[in-house]
Amino acid sequence: AQKVTQAQTEISVVEKEDVTLDCVYETRDTTYYLFWYKQPPSGELVFLIRRNSFDEQNEISGRYSWNFQKSTSSFNFTITASQVVDSAVYFCALLNDYKLSFGAGTTVTVRA
Amino acid sequence: DTAVSQTPKYLVTQMGNDKSIKCEQNLGHDTMYWYKQDSKKFLKIMFSYNNKELIINETVPNRFSPKSPDKAHLNLHINSLELGDSAVYFCASSQEASGGYSVLTQYFGPGTRLTVL
Repeated sequence: AQKVTQAQTEISVVEKEDVTLDCVYETRDTTYYLFWYKQPPSGELVFLIRRNSFDEQNEISGRYSWNFQKSTSSFNFTITASQVVDSAVYFCALLNDYKLSFGAGTTVTVRA
Repeated sequence: DTAVSQTPKYLVTQMGNDKSIKCEQNLGHDTMYWYKQDSKKFLKIMFSYNNKELIINETVPNRFSPKSPDKAHLNLHINSLELGDSAVYFCASSQEASGGYSVLTQYFGPGTRLTVL
């Protein structure tokens, strides 16, 4: 069975602080995809990144970076120099055979 | 240009009524989905259609019936609405990867907030 665990329910930081969101997954498949989505207060789900199981290269996009480690089944997400606009619920998800299994989400609040 | 659109955005109705939510995507994708997000923000897949054929049907009451008239549309009809159906319903779409062994990123619509009174 597929499972995604986001142990942090809520994180509150002051603007310009870095924040790291943890994601641990379980799967028996050798081919799978991992995702991060952002859900701002307006409610839509915004795609941030996709990673396949064969590519462990870390990725950086602006203030966002992702650390994928197959050895620990983790796909963590770091926001550097956080801004108020980063306040949202962030979901980690695992895709296999058309199904996206989501973690419970981490609510990030960035205070000015 | 809206990639995945849903109507209505808000739906308030009485218990026992029948209602529909419409979804359209203009991305040229061949797979569409319905997800339900409950009050605790937990997201769970309900259905998926690939080229108008049902490929995923999770444990959902048969009061929920998806209909895909073509690849670009996936509608959700709900009969005899119950209080527990109150949630946000998201439509999504994706493109099958070449070789057909996988699908790529799922793009979500804005969601429909259903409130059953």
